[in-house]
Amino acid sequence: DAMVIQNPRYQVTQFGKPVTLSCSQTLNHNVMYWYQQKSSQAPKLLFHYYDKDFNNEADTPDNFQSRRPNTSFCFLDIRSPGLGDAAMYLCATSTFGTGGDEQYFGPGTRLTVT
Amino acid sequence: AQTVTQSQPEMSVQEAETVTLSCTYDTSESNYYLFWYKQPPSRQMILVIRQEAYKQQNATENRFSVNFQKAAKSFSLKISDSQLGDTAMYFCALRAFSNYQLIWGAGTKLIIKP
Repeated sequence: DAMVIQNPRYQVTQFGKPVTLSCSQTLNHNVMYWYQQKSSQAPKLLFHYYDKDFNNEADTPDNFQSRRPNTSFCFLDIRSPGLGDAAMYLCATSTFGTGGDEQYFGPGTRLTVT
Repeated sequence: AQTVTQSQPEMSVQEAETVTLSCTYDTSESNYYLFWYKQPPSRQMILVIRQEAYKQQNATENRFSVNFQKAAKSFSLKISDSQLGDTAMYFCALRAFSNYQLIWGAGTKLIIKP
């Protein structure tokens, strides 16, 4: 089945130690998104790619970076994780990103910062 | 600015009952879409139903239907014959037609009791 895959599902890192989360998709969608979601709150968009065009949200901290080396893969890098970065990180994809376009979500990576 | 408000943080009903989740929104856009997403415990977010604002007819997907009141800027979700598998967080979301960003409500935690 076509899907959005996130690895790892659970990640523990130390305060200040860089961490990378990965997302892959078999849907061949143009758009990939990274969201941060804290305990039953709404997802907060960090950034998205339309193909290779990177779009950063204005309030996304510089500590968060992203890479999309090809259509299928997208990575979230947290350069110096703080305790406040502990959250669920959701990757999503969509065909073209606007209007009624549905977003397909991965299962998420739960990040713990110790 | 666009906003989405879900005024019910948590609801619970008995299995087989009908439940309605409320959502109001505000936007100055004339063309937009509204969505209900479902996030079951420890499972991924999925689209339940979507509504094009220019369509007067309310969207329906099996047991899920919406009551879209454009003038009142209201977009409620009705779940008929509720099932245990409907237990989840439900998020209402809005997207302007030409925009990529989903504006999310705070979510309603729905518990279906056996």
